[in-house]
Amino acid sequence: AQKITQTQPGMFVQEKEAVTLDCTYDTSDQSYGLFWYKQPSSGEMIFLIYQGSYDEQNATEGRYSLNFQKARKSANLVISASQLGDSAMYFCAMREYNQAGTALIFGKGTTLSVSS
Amino acid sequence: GAGVSQSPRYKVTKRGQDVALRCDPISGHVSLYWYRQALGQGPEFLTYFNYEAQQDKSGLPNDRFSAERPEGSISTLTIQRTEQRDSAMYRCASSLDPPSSYNEQFFGPGTRLTVL
Repeated sequence: AQKITQTQPGMFVQEKEAVTLDCTYDTSDQSYGLFWYKQPSSGEMIFLIYQGSYDEQNATEGRYSLNFQKARKSANLVISASQLGDSAMYFCAMREYNQAGTALIFGKGTTLSVSS
Repeated sequence: GAGVSQSPRYKVTKRGQDVALRCDPISGHVSLYWYRQALGQGPEFLTYFNYEAQQDKSGLPNDRFSAERPEGSISTLTIQRTEQRDSAMYRCASSLDPPSSYNEQFFGPGTRLTVL
């Protein structure tokens, strides 16, 4: 079974609109972390935001917020006031902390296109 | 340098040749990860080092792939007898350890490997 599922291959939004990128995850661990990375066309991987499984409040970083619904095992990324520079591939990832040193498990990504 | 560096950035080789990909992590980062990313997909874990110890190599696809980090800093991923299916972006990431509940992984720019 997929550990990280991103069901939206592509999303289209206009500048200044908010957009939600979906991510669901599958783990039996109680301790885990959820990450979102942005990959623009240049290919770099840019860390955006983190949510720990024990964090009671949703994480926020500037225009990025994470809608964490633990019971539903979802960790959707919300980008407010989209900008043209937000056009990129977005990856949701998980790290299971009960397994020391394990790597990030990534979803297949969602391509976001922001138009003027 | 401030970030993770990788070399070469691009490598074109003929089927059957060996290649060595280098990663120089952020200074002081003791955890180092190798990932492989196919076009349009998320990165997939290959192997993990804590200092010089290779603690997880479960993601290496077969015995043609090997990695080392002899002095706990620079790492080399070697692919022997390359095949066309090895063509991908190979990414290195590093993070601080010992693990806390949050360890952001900083990614390098990647090496784009093309096997002809």
